[in-house]
Amino acid sequence: EPEVTQTPSHQVTQMGQEVILRCVPISNHLYFYWYRQILGQKVEFLVSFYNNEISEKSEIFDDQFSVERPDGSNFTLKIRSTKLEDSAMYFCASSLARRGDGTGELFFGEGSRLTVL
Amino acid sequence: DAKTTQPTSMDCAEGRAANLPCNHSTISGNEYVYWYRQIHSQGPQYIIHGLKNNETNEMASLIITEDRKSSTLILPHATLRDTAVYYCIVIRQGAQKLVFGQGTRLTINP
Repeated sequence: EPEVTQTPSHQVTQMGQEVILRCVPISNHLYFYWYRQILGQKVEFLVSFYNNEISEKSEIFDDQFSVERPDGSNFTLKIRSTKLEDSAMYFCASSLARRGDGTGELFFGEGSRLTVL
Repeated sequence: DAKTTQPTSMDCAEGRAANLPCNHSTISGNEYVYWYRQIHSQGPQYIIHGLKNNETNEMASLIITEDRKSSTLILPHATLRDTAVYYCIVIRQGAQKLVFGQGTRLTINP
């Protein structure tokens, strides 16, 4: 069964460093997302991406964050200068299409755990 | 998107049906009911969704009341691997993001 893959599974970084989290969405999917989950808290939407541009972003997704689809397969989340509060599990997701029945089914990866020291 | 209310936690015996309720009394006509679950710290997993008719797939059944103000997710024969947090999410047609609440922590007991 096709799946969303994320790397690294765990990254430890120093405050102020840049971090890039990578995702390979399911190959025929068109919509891509990043969510995050701080330990013990809710899963939070960060950004959605379609047709090579951001289609929606949350208040969390400030200027420190950026996303890119550098080639036909990867989808990356960059945090420019990490803060302690960026420590969280980051989930990538993809979906086939925005059908008439809402978002459709989102497929999530297993997550990348980011620890900022 | 309409707000949902779910019990914080539930227990169910292995092999029995697990019935997880969700209230969404402010749901609009163009809003769908989606269910996802999150096993431990893994990525959320889609289970099922519906608009107004009852739905069934290989994982679960979704029963939506006639007035659409509440729904129930049914896992017909719960196993230990069904222990997870279950999220009921109401989302309008064409919307892009899922808004996760606290969900229901379902524990399947042997």
